[in-house]
Amino acid sequence: GENVEQHPSTLSVQEGDSAVIKCTYSDSASNYFPWYKQELGKRPQLIIDIRSNVGEKKDQRIAVTLNKTAKHFSLHITETQPEDSAVYFCAASGTDSWGKLQFGAGTQVVVTP
Amino acid sequence: GAGVSQSPSNKVTEKGKDVELRCDPISGHTALYWYRQSLGQGLEFLIYFQGNSAPDKSGLPSDRFSAERTGGSVSTLTIQRTQQEDSAVYLCASSAGTGSWDEQFFGPGTRLTVL
Repeated sequence: GENVEQHPSTLSVQEGDSAVIKCTYSDSASNYFPWYKQELGKRPQLIIDIRSNVGEKKDQRIAVTLNKTAKHFSLHITETQPEDSAVYFCAASGTDSWGKLQFGAGTQVVVTP
Repeated sequence: GAGVSQSPSNKVTEKGKDVELRCDPISGHTALYWYRQSLGQGLEFLIYFQGNSAPDKSGLPSDRFSAERTGGSVSTLTIQRTQQEDSAVYLCASSAGTGSWDEQFFGPGTRLTVL
């Protein structure tokens, strides 16, 4: 089955700097890669996703890149703000697993003013 | 519209007791998922339902865990003879069910504590 590894487990950045979180996956059939943000005590919420037919996707300060050959994908947050502080999870799924997401272990991001 | 709801929000039980956790998906969503999140950990897939198809139970950790979905809507996750290692937040999610890359919308979770 799919295995997703996520690094780093914690990330401390100064407000205004960029943050990068990296994930690798094992199943070459995976074709959907969402990123979820979970604030303390709240439910995970989708912030951006990418499909395997695209190499990069951007939404304001957030971007995701995908390298299918190397089987890794990354989340980039630019101009970080205190409200970006949260746990971020990457995930992967494929057509054979139909929406069954395999999540990474999460990255605790702390943005200091 | 209303999002995914779960009940109870918190459940404290004694080791060996059975518990039932409920999930109400977003109206019209045909896909429903259960995940488990242990303290400081990622989300672990448990089971998913899609329409009238047989559920994918491949993530259930033991035969003490079962789930059903009545009428294609509400789902109940049952844990029999609870153990301390079952303590976690149980999250339910639903999606439109039109494709493998539908956004999954999560509920607030049920925090289960087994004493």
